[in-house]
Amino acid sequence: DVKVTQSSRYLVKRTGEKVFLECVQDMDHENMFWYRQDPGLGLRLIYFSYDVKMKEKGDIPEGYSVSREKKERFSLILESASTNQTSMYLCASGPSGRARGTQYFGPGTRLLVL
Amino acid sequence: KNQVEQSPQSLIILEGKNCTLQCNYTVSPFSNLRWYKQDTGRGPVSLTIMTFSENTKSNGRYTATLDADTKQSSLHITASQLSDSASYICVVSVNAGNMLTFGGGTRLMVKP
Repeated sequence: DVKVTQSSRYLVKRTGEKVFLECVQDMDHENMFWYRQDPGLGLRLIYFSYDVKMKEKGDIPEGYSVSREKKERFSLILESASTNQTSMYLCASGPSGRARGTQYFGPGTRLLVL
Repeated sequence: KNQVEQSPQSLIILEGKNCTLQCNYTVSPFSNLRWYKQDTGRGPVSLTIMTFSENTKSNGRYTATLDADTKQSSLHITASQLSDSASYICVVSVNAGNMLTFGGGTRLMVKP
């Protein structure tokens, strides 16, 4: 079974704090993704990574950065959290090659920024 | 612009009844289409995947159809159960790419 885990299910942070969201996958997938999900807006891609130390901006990268030092781990960083970053954050991983396009999601982290 | 539109946005049905959720897409070039189920507070879980050449795929009480000519898909749920209450998201994959285009989802509530 594919397993994608996220470090926290719920987080409460204050405006201006630096926030780290961690994601780990155990399937040796090349591709990893960070999304945020908001009511009425669906899932929106923040950043993705197709290899260690590689990253690409998604549709809404502003206010976020990412780090991928190891293949199994992809971190999302909010340098200075703001209230408009209150959201559900979903990490996903997937293989490259012929199976690309398949993504497996973690359970999500619900972040509240006060 | 690649888009995926789902309807209805929300739906309430009685336990044991059937329902059909719709998905229209304008993604090109098309690779495959997935339906995901997302329980409240959880990550999405894949239900079905269909490529261009497939027009129906079943997973238990869930049956997905795909019409690649009209760029429409539907998810039919038979004999609904309370545990079917969730959001159902239609996701289309672009050919030769890793990116997915997500629909806004249909929120289904099954009442006893």
